[in-house]
Amino acid sequence: DTAVSQTPKYLVTQMGNDKSIKCEQNLGHDTMYWYKQDSKKFLKIMFSYNNKELIINETVPNRFSPKSPDKAHLNLHINSLELGDSAVYFCASSQAGQGRNYGYTFGSGTRLTVV
Amino acid sequence: TQLLEQSPQFLSIQEGENLTVYCNSSSVFSSLQWYRQEPGEGPVLLVTVVTGGEVKKLKRLTFQFGDARKDSSLHITAAQPGDTGLYLCAGASGGSNYKLTFGKGTLLTVNP
Repeated sequence: DTAVSQTPKYLVTQMGNDKSIKCEQNLGHDTMYWYKQDSKKFLKIMFSYNNKELIINETVPNRFSPKSPDKAHLNLHINSLELGDSAVYFCASSQAGQGRNYGYTFGSGTRLTVV
Repeated sequence: TQLLEQSPQFLSIQEGENLTVYCNSSSVFSSLQWYRQEPGEGPVLLVTVVTGGEVKKLKRLTFQFGDARKDSSLHITAAQPGDTGLYLCAGASGGSNYKLTFGKGTLLTVNP
C-alpha cells in the first residue's frame, strides 16, 4: 500500500529518556514534515525536509533532532524527554512545488506519553 | 505569524441537519485546504481551493474560498454519522509550498 508509515504507534517513556520515531513514505514525494498535535488538537509544524535538506525548523528545542537519511525517510530523535513533550507526532509528505495544490499525506501518528 | 481561526470549535447536530464551518484569517493564502481527521488517525485531505471565489463540491460537502483568499467555508448538507470527525483548514502562503498553517479545528459530532 502506498502510504506514510510511522512507528511506533504508541510510546510511553519516563522523563529524561531518549526516544526515536521513524517515518517512511513510498509515495515518491521529496518533501517530508514533522507536526506536533497537542491535547487541544492543534497541529503545529516542527520540521520540514526537502531531498534530505532541512528547510523549516520552527523554534523547536534542541532536544529534538530530525534526520533524513534519504528522501523517503525522516526520523525524529528526542533527547531528555520532558512531560510537556507528551503529544501526538505526525509525519507527512508532499511533492515539492505541489503541496500547495495536492496537499499533504499524513501518517497515522505516534502518541508519545512522558511519565 | 499567520493565524487561521476556525469556528465553531465544537458542533453537535442530528443526522439530516445542515451545517457550516468557517475558517478566517487576516492573511492572504495562495491556497487553502480542508482535512478531516478521525480518532487515532492522521488528517486526510478533502479538498484544495486555489482561486478567490472558488467553489468545490464533494458529494454533500461544499467548499468555498473567499474572494480575497483570506477565508473559507465548509458546508455539509444532510449530515450523516459518518461525517463525524475533526475538520481542519490549512493555508499555504507566499511562495513556500513547504509549510501549511493549520486552524485549531472544528470537532463535529453527528448523532443518529
